[in-house]
Amino acid sequence: RKEVEQDPGPFNVPEGATVAFNCTYSNSASQSFFWYRQDCRKEPKLLMSVYSSGNEDGRFTAQLNRASQYISLLIRDSKLSDSATYLCVVSLSGNTGKLIFGQGTTLQVKP
Amino acid sequence: GAVVSQHPSRVICKSGTSVKIECRSLDFQATTMFWYRQFPKQSLMLMATSNEGSKATYEQGVEKDKFLINHASLTLSTLTVTSAHPEDSSFYICSARDYGQAGNSPLHFGNGTRLTVT
Repeated sequence: RKEVEQDPGPFNVPEGATVAFNCTYSNSASQSFFWYRQDCRKEPKLLMSVYSSGNEDGRFTAQLNRASQYISLLIRDSKLSDSATYLCVVSLSGNTGKLIFGQGTTLQVKP
Repeated sequence: GAVVSQHPSRVICKSGTSVKIECRSLDFQATTMFWYRQFPKQSLMLMATSNEGSKATYEQGVEKDKFLINHASLTLSTLTVTSAHPEDSSFYICSARDYGQAGNSPLHFGNGTRLTVT
């Protein structure tokens, strides 16, 4: 079983749509959670951290359910520029900084 | 914001040669840097953790004699792919955390190195 699992997609949605991505992680000792965005052939870039209480950044909302070991990302009012691969990332306990990446979910927003 | 510079961004080499990739933290100090590898349509996989002034910690299945890591200063880590083969062709990415930030703060990524071994 993968440590971080995501549906690879692709998700093809029209502009303005709302789309949700899910992610599950296997290690209950995981401490920190992030969503990164990766454009084709580029390095990943931090989209947002995910907090237990849930958090929102503009059109993006992230949720964490520790009991179910489940993370989600909601994108509202999709833009063409949102087209990318979204990586669910988990950091294990301790100060190691070691990140475990999911395979990524590809989003394609169409006009 | 913090910047991590990785060089070269792209390299093509012949089978059997060695390639060195540099990762620099430009405006912060990093006692620890991380080296990842990403094959097409796959997730980033951690190869090793580079520790300033000491030996790197390699993940299971990563050959330490093939992927040499040196972290001689607080701002520079290098990864050398020795005796490269076509199967080593991949996207190599380094990342680092600001020494002064908490352990769960996000990492800063370099722009990656696309290695092609012919």
